[in-house]
Amino acid sequence: GDSVTQMEGPVTLSEEAFLTINCTYTATGYPSLFWYVQYPGEGLQLLLKATKADDKGSNKGFEATYRKETTSFHLEKGSVQVSDSAVYFCALGGGAAGNKLTFGGGTRVLVKP
Amino acid sequence: NAGVMQNPRHLVRRRGQEARLRCSPMKGHSHVYWYRQLPEEGLKFMVYLQKENIIDESGMPKERFSAEFPKEGPSILRIQQVVRGDSAAYFCASSERGEKLFFGSGTQLSVL
Repeated sequence: GDSVTQMEGPVTLSEEAFLTINCTYTATGYPSLFWYVQYPGEGLQLLLKATKADDKGSNKGFEATYRKETTSFHLEKGSVQVSDSAVYFCALGGGAAGNKLTFGGGTRVLVKP
Repeated sequence: NAGVMQNPRHLVRRRGQEARLRCSPMKGHSHVYWYRQLPEEGLKFMVYLQKENIIDESGMPKERFSAEFPKEGPSILRIQQVVRGDSAAYFCASSERGEKLFFGSGTQLSVL
């Protein structure tokens, strides 16, 4: 079945540092890939998505590229802020699966001033 | 436009009791999804409902768990005779016609 593996946290960074969170997946067919973010005390919010190979999703300075050859969708941000402290979830779905998403375990990111 | 509302935020039950988790979707949304997040794990799909219909319950445990989304009122996830292993965060999400998902803040269930 489908599965998503993302790097374990917590990841602790200083403000303005570069952030990478690795995500790899296994899936049948051609799923869409997503990154969701969960701020403390809130629900998950869609951060960005990519629907086909080589697509790049971007939002709020975050980027991720759908790499079919490496089955990866790594999240990057060039200069993090304290407000980026949150838990980040990689997920796949779409197509026949619709909104029945498969999530990774989440990566907690803590940005210190 | 209020987001997806879940209540209660925290629910404590003793083993053997029943737990009822409520989810009010965003206005205009007729699709509801329930996910469960066990400690240190990712979210796992449980069930997908449209008004008065269960569309996909492939992630629901076979016993003790049930879900409904009546014509009027919130969606309810019901867990009968709870056990300690049911302790988790339960998230509801809604969408309009299978489009973008909007998540609630979750209900943290603790079973003593």
